[in-house]
Amino acid sequence: GQQLNQSPQSMFIQEGEDVSMNCTSSSIFNTWLWYKQDPGEGPVLLIALYKAGELTSNGRLTAQFGITRKDSFLNISASIPSDVGIYFCAGPGDNYGQNFVFGPGTRLSVLP
Amino acid sequence: EAGVAQSPRYKIIEKRQSVAFWCNPISGHATLYWYQQILGQGPKLLIQFQNNGVVDDSQLPKDRFSAERLKGVDSTLKIQPAKLEDSAVYLCASSLARWGEAFFGQGTRLTVV
Repeated sequence: GQQLNQSPQSMFIQEGEDVSMNCTSSSIFNTWLWYKQDPGEGPVLLIALYKAGELTSNGRLTAQFGITRKDSFLNISASIPSDVGIYFCAGPGDNYGQNFVFGPGTRLSVLP
Repeated sequence: EAGVAQSPRYKIIEKRQSVAFWCNPISGHATLYWYQQILGQGPKLLIQFQNNGVVDDSQLPKDRFSAERLKGVDSTLKIQPAKLEDSAVYLCASSLARWGEAFFGQGTRLTVV
C-alpha cells in the first residue's frame, strides 16, 4: 500500500524559533492533511491542502502542497511550548479516497 | 458540534479474551475509519466505511478483528481472541466524504496482558 515518509523524525528547538518539516510519498496524493497529536489524545487536524502548489496558513502554521503532488511541507513560526507534540501528515492514497494513510510523524520538543 | 465519541477510554484484558470498542461519529459524517496506533508509530488504517458499506479493509486482520457499522452511524470494532501484539490505541475518525478532513476521537487504549 501507499507509504508516507516524514522528516525529521524528531527535533528539539528553542522557544521562538521557526520549524520546518516535510512529508514525501512515492506516489501522487490528491489531498494532504497535517495533524498534531498530544499525549493521550487523538490527532487534531491542523491544515488541509487540496491543490498542487496550494499554500495555506492557520495562525502560526503554514503548509504547502508540493508541485509534484508527492510532497508537502509544514512550517511553524515563532514556536511556543504548546507546540510540543507529534505532527503527522496524512492523505487518501488512491483516487477513490481510500487507503487513508498516515506518516510516521515528526516529534517536536520546544525548549524554554 | 459534538465530536467523535469513543468508549471505553481504557481496557485491560488477558490474551485470548475478547474485547469490543464503540464509536459514534460526528452527525452527518458518511465516512468512518478505525485506526490502530502502536506506541511510537503513526496511526494505521484498519477499516474504512462509507455509510454502512466497507470500502477498505485490506489491513484488517480478519481472522481475529471484525467491525460493523449498522445503519451507517455507530460502529463497533471487535477483537477475538486478543494477542499481546494487539496492545495499542484504537482510534475512530469520521469525515463528511472520502476525501474530506477526518476528525478523530480520543481513542481507546488497549492493553493485552
